Amino acid sequence: EVQLVESGGDLVQPGGSLRLSCAASGFSFDTCSMHWVRQAPGRGLEWVSYISYSGSPKYYADSVKGRFTISRDNAKGSLYLQMDSLRAEDTAVYYCATREDSGDYLDNWGQGTLVTVSS
Amino acid sequence: IQMTQSPSSLSASVGDRVTITCRASQGINNYLNWYQQKPGKAPKALIYAASSLQSGVPSRFSGSGSGTDFTLTISSLQPEDFATYYCQQSYSTLYTFGQGTKLEIK
Repeated sequence: EVQLVESGGDLVQPGGSLRLSCAASGFSFDTCSMHWVRQAPGRGLEWVSYISYSGSPKYYADSVKGRFTISRDNAKGSLYLQMDSLRAEDTAVYYCATREDSGDYLDNWGQGTLVTVSS
Repeated sequence: IQMTQSPSSLSASVGDRVTITCRASQGINNYLNWYQQKPGKAPKALIYAASSLQSGVPSRFSGSGSGTDFTLTISSLQPEDFATYYCQQSYSTLYTFGQGTKLEIK
């Protein structure tokens, strides 16, 4: 069974940093490209970032480019999102998700981790 | 690529046939996916590549369209279908979602 478990969400002050993790199990993580998607409270889904199975290429939404960095450790079965220069508008539940290659969609999702940016 | 869904909210009854529309700001071929999200839960994939049903999803869900205009249809609403639905394009490497359609019980 595919399992994705996010962690690292917390309350952080504006301008601060946070690192999210996503622990993957139940599938071949090292052959699977991954995404981060977020959802602000009461709002819709916003795609954040992508990383291929090999670690490159990586893509970012304009709203986070230059501030967030996606990475992965295939040996550990883990995906990461380093978030710097955090803003109030980054407050959201952050989900990691697997990319299904043949159909190019997000077929498995974690339960999410909440990031709150506030002073 | 901007994705626009309509309507933003919809009230319907069990047994109704419901259609949700998604329009892309440019042509995206059939790189269009649909997700269902219930309160407090992660989204769940329903339809991929505009019209392919995700494994395990009931056949009352169907998708159609190509280019810029797409639809998600639920042929006979069941109580468990009341949720928020999102379209998402994967034509661009920078994915984008529609703003969502909240389906409520009438």
